[in-house]
Amino acid sequence: DVKVTQSSRYLVKRTGEKVFLECVQDMDHENMFWYRQDPGLGLRLIYFSYDVKMKEKGDIPEGYSVSREKKERFSLILESASTNQTSMYLCASSPNSGGYNEQFFGPGTRLTVL
Amino acid sequence: AQTVTQSQPEMSVQEAETVTLSCTYDTSESDYYLFWYKQPPSRQMILVIRQEAYKQQNATENRFSVNFQKAAKSFSLKISDSQLGDAAMYFCAYNNNDMRFGAGTRLTVKP
Repeated sequence: DVKVTQSSRYLVKRTGEKVFLECVQDMDHENMFWYRQDPGLGLRLIYFSYDVKMKEKGDIPEGYSVSREKKERFSLILESASTNQTSMYLCASSPNSGGYNEQFFGPGTRLTVL
Repeated sequence: AQTVTQSQPEMSVQEAETVTLSCTYDTSESDYYLFWYKQPPSRQMILVIRQEAYKQQNATENRFSVNFQKAAKSFSLKISDSQLGDAAMYFCAYNNNDMRFGAGTRLTVKP
């Protein structure tokens, strides 16, 4: 079974802090994604990556950056956390490009910024 | 950009009954894939069912089936013989190399 893990289930940070959210997948997937999930808005794509050291902006990249130094690991960075970044963050991976492929999700990190 | 609309923020069903969750989408493409994902409380999102747009036959997975109406751009999920474990958020998604999710429907199952 594909396993996608995220470094923390719950995280509380202060405004202005630099925050790192880590995601690791164990099935050699090419693609990795970061979403934020908010009530009534569904999942919105922040960034994605199709290969090591490659990244593409999603729909809401402002205030975020990412890093993919190894194929299995995709990190989301909040350079200076703000209260409007309080949300559930979901990481996902998929085998390669192609609409057929489902995405496999991690358990999520619920981030609260005070 | 493609959009996915789930018009029912919340639904409830009696255990053992049938419930249908609605989803519509907007696209100008003819080839794409549609998905229903389930997110149980405090658990990981998992795939429930997948439909390929070029297939006319509706997908089924045990108690889960879809009603895919391509011309109407409609993709509803039917859950038969509902069980307590079906309680979850359900997300409809469209994919043509760019996965788009709806806002979700929270399903409650009453014993």
